[in-house]
Amino acid sequence: KQEVTQIPAALSVPEGENLVLNCSFTDSAIYNLQWFRQDPGKGLTSLLLIQSSQREQTSGRLNASLDKSSGRSTLYIAASQPGDSATYLCADYSGNTPLVFGKGTRLSVIA
Amino acid sequence: GAVVSQHPSRVICKSGTSVKIECRSLDFQATTMFWYRQFPKQSLMLMATSNEGSKATYEQGVEKDKFLINHASLTLSTLTVTSAHPEDSSFYICSARDDTSTDTQYFGPGTRLTVL
Repeated sequence: KQEVTQIPAALSVPEGENLVLNCSFTDSAIYNLQWFRQDPGKGLTSLLLIQSSQREQTSGRLNASLDKSSGRSTLYIAASQPGDSATYLCADYSGNTPLVFGKGTRLSVIA
Repeated sequence: GAVVSQHPSRVICKSGTSVKIECRSLDFQATTMFWYRQFPKQSLMLMATSNEGSKATYEQGVEKDKFLINHASLTLSTLTVTSAHPEDSSFYICSARDDTSTDTQYFGPGTRLTVL
C-alpha cells in the first residue's frame, strides 16, 4: 500500500528565500504526481501535475520534479512571498484510483 | 478549467441529526467520485469511492451505514452523515474524475462539518 511522506512537516522562511519541499513514496511505481496547496480551513488548489511520461513541471515561481527510480518528488518555490504561506500536499494517483496524500508541509513566509 | 462544487461549504448541527453534503461536477460528467475526510493537522484520508448507478465502495474502518453515499447521476454524488456525533466533525472533500479524460480528477472546495 502506497505511503507518502513529506519533509519537513513545517517550515518558516524569510520573504525572498528560495525553498524546497520534499515528498517520498514507499512504492516507486508512481503513475501521476500532483502537488496541491491548502489554505487554512479551505479546500485544495492544484498547483502542478507531473504525468507519468514527464519528469518535471513549471508554473511561475514553482517547479516540481519527479524521480520515479527513487520514489521522490520536490517542489521548488523561488523568491518566496508571504502569500505563499499555506500547507503544501503531494499526492500520487492514477485517474482511476483515489489519491494517496502525504500529511503536508506547513509553510510560513515571514515578511 | 473544470469545476467541482460542494454544498454546503460549512454546516453546524446538533448531535444526533443527519447532514447531507453534495458534490457536483459543473461542466463534465463523472461516473466516479471520491470522498475524503481531513481531521485538523492531518492529511486527507479516503473514505469511499462513489460510482454512478452502483453501490459505493468504502475504505476499511468507514461505516457504510453511518456515511451514506448516493451517486444518482453523472454529475452529483451526496454524502449523508447520519446520527452525527462530535467526533464526526471534520473537513469533507470530494473529487470527481472526468469521464472524458480519465487521468484527471478535480477537487471540490470542501465542507466543514461541526457537530455540537
